[in-house]
Amino acid sequence: DIQVTQSPSSLSASVGDRVTITCRASQSISSYLNWYQRKPGKAPKLLVYAASILRSGVPSRFSGSESGTDFTLTINSLQPEDFATYYCQQSFSSPWTFGQGTKVEIK
Amino acid sequence: EVQLVESGGGLVQPGRSLRLSCAASGFTFDDYAMHWVRQVPGKGLEWVSGISWNSDTIVYADSVKGRFIISRDNAKNSLYVQLNSLRPEDTAFYYCVKDSWQHLVHPTLDYWGQGTLVTVSS
Repeated sequence: DIQVTQSPSSLSASVGDRVTITCRASQSISSYLNWYQRKPGKAPKLLVYAASILRSGVPSRFSGSESGTDFTLTINSLQPEDFATYYCQQSFSSPWTFGQGTKVEIK
Repeated sequence: EVQLVESGGGLVQPGRSLRLSCAASGFTFDDYAMHWVRQVPGKGLEWVSGISWNSDTIVYADSVKGRFIISRDNAKNSLYVQLNSLRPEDTAFYYCVKDSWQHLVHPTLDYWGQGTLVTVSS
């Protein structure tokens, strides 16, 4: 199975900060990496798919990138509504594993 | 508007069974693969099972293989999962999730339900 290691597990940031979250796959997964946002009491929401394609309707302050087996979700100018838990998910091969999650908290 | 509404969760004893259902609306159900994903309260997400648009391809996580059975009824716009031989570690919120694609190839999970809680305890 492909392991996806997500870091950090949590971070504190202020409104307006730039935040980066990283996922590292245990083997090559091409660009098959998706990012999701989860707020308490709400269903997870797809943000980015295929490593860098922003889903329609997602604010442009979110972006995804890749370098080999390392994938990054960047939030430029963090907004109050961005405080949430973020998960990556590899969609290269079954079982389609998720990262452990990164909780973004208010500093 | 896409809506996915799960039902069927509850408290069940270890070794017993439960059937979860998901009612889908707002999209052409038989055009897309579907999945179940679960989350232990306070823990991360775990993909459980997926089924292609026409049920030709079904995949399970190793942790549930041989115990859970996913199915769908395209005429009823519904997704199901039969949970058998339940264990305490199966306690979790179970989410019905829509895929962006028809086939189980490289799933992109674009819509999620609110989840239904399954508690396995004596």
